[in-house]
Amino acid sequence: DGGITQSPKYLFRKEGQNVTLSCEQNLNHDAMYWYRQDPGQGLRLIYYSQIVNDFQKGDIAEGYSVSREKKESFPLTVTSAQKNPTAFYLCASSTRTGTAAEQYFGPGTRLTVT
Amino acid sequence: KQEVTQIPAALSVPEGENLVLNCSFTDSAIYNLQWFRQDPGKGLTSLLLIQSSQREQTSGRLNASLDKSSGRSTLYIAASQPGDSATYLCAAPGSGGYQKVTFGTGTKLQVIP
Repeated sequence: DGGITQSPKYLFRKEGQNVTLSCEQNLNHDAMYWYRQDPGQGLRLIYYSQIVNDFQKGDIAEGYSVSREKKESFPLTVTSAQKNPTAFYLCASSTRTGTAAEQYFGPGTRLTVT
Repeated sequence: KQEVTQIPAALSVPEGENLVLNCSFTDSAIYNLQWFRQDPGKGLTSLLLIQSSQREQTSGRLNASLDKSSGRSTLYIAASQPGDSATYLCAAPGSGGYQKVTFGTGTKLQVIP
């Protein structure tokens, strides 16, 4: 079955530690995205990548880093510089064609930092 | 910058009722608009994608419409069921390209048996 996997589902970390969230897709999509979701707020874009070895900052990139070494993988690192990292993180992917970029989402990772 | 608004934030209806969810966007130069469903603690499930050249898109009991000139989209759910209870989000790209999409904050729907 094609889809997007995120692991782990729940992640707990101590303040000051970096943590990496995994996102893998087997949909052969060129574009991948990371979003953050907080209660009462819409999804906010952290980073996105249109092709391998290229990525752009979204609206809230500070304190986060990404890499795109393989088409199917787009890991997100939450660094100690992120002031409020506790949130629900969602990874998505889409084709790179111009007008039909339907986004598909993974199941999400809930990160709790104490 | 694209802004997307969904009103109401929450809606409660009895089972069997037809209902409409609303989505407004400020930048009408969009390629498409997508409706999603999100269950608590889960990822988003794509329901319907309407391209800018379309006015409607249907899937089962769901019908989504798009009016670019007025900056509005609606999601119509026919004969609602308790299993339809979830949060429904719409998402629209900005004029800067489809890769950057703005999401609404969603409408939380409860269908009462």
